[in-house]
Amino acid sequence: DGGITQSPKYLFRKEGQNVTLSCEQNLNHDAMYWYRQDPGQGLRLIYYSQIVNDFQKGDIAEGYSVSREKKESFPLTVTSAQKNPTAFYLCASDLRGTEAFFGQGTRLTVV
Amino acid sequence: GENVEQHPSTLSVQEGDSAVIKCTYSDSASNYFPWYKQELGKRPQLIIDIRSNVGEKKDQRIAVTLNKTAKHFSLHITETQPEDSAVYFCAALNQAGTALIFGKGTTLSVSS
Repeated sequence: DGGITQSPKYLFRKEGQNVTLSCEQNLNHDAMYWYRQDPGQGLRLIYYSQIVNDFQKGDIAEGYSVSREKKESFPLTVTSAQKNPTAFYLCASDLRGTEAFFGQGTRLTVV
Repeated sequence: GENVEQHPSTLSVQEGDSAVIKCTYSDSASNYFPWYKQELGKRPQLIIDIRSNVGEKKDQRIAVTLNKTAKHFSLHITETQPEDSAVYFCAALNQAGTALIFGKGTTLSVSS
């Protein structure tokens, strides 16, 4: 189903806790991205990675961290430093400058 | 960095009418401009894209135009149908050509 999988679909976090969102792709794409979607805000770039062991901050990286140890995987950690983490998170991948494929998203709620 | 502005934020049309969504971008070096459609509860999916070496591209009822001088591009949907109702996002590659920057989206509602 699109070759890019996010898990879990729904995630609940207590305030002050870190939580990690999973993103795996089997499309052999070099580039992977994390976006945050809030109502009326569109898709905002958190982090992106063009190659294994390298990643760059996007527009709203504060309070988030990522790793890219494998080409297929790009997990996102939402840390306790993120002041308003409740949102819908979308992972995507592409072959630089071509169609980006999105995962089904993870809806994170802070309780 | 690249900034993409999208208008309008909401658009309501009658079935059969045309719909136009407009985007502007800030980085003149951007050369790839895709449009994504996100239906309720689903992931965004590419519907059409255009590169900076062409001014217009058409695929059945949808078309995209690009004006590099003015740094704006538009999505045109003709003969709209209720199933066209969704959120549409425009995007542009950032200055380094390494990441897509999205507009805030347009919620299109097509009533029958």
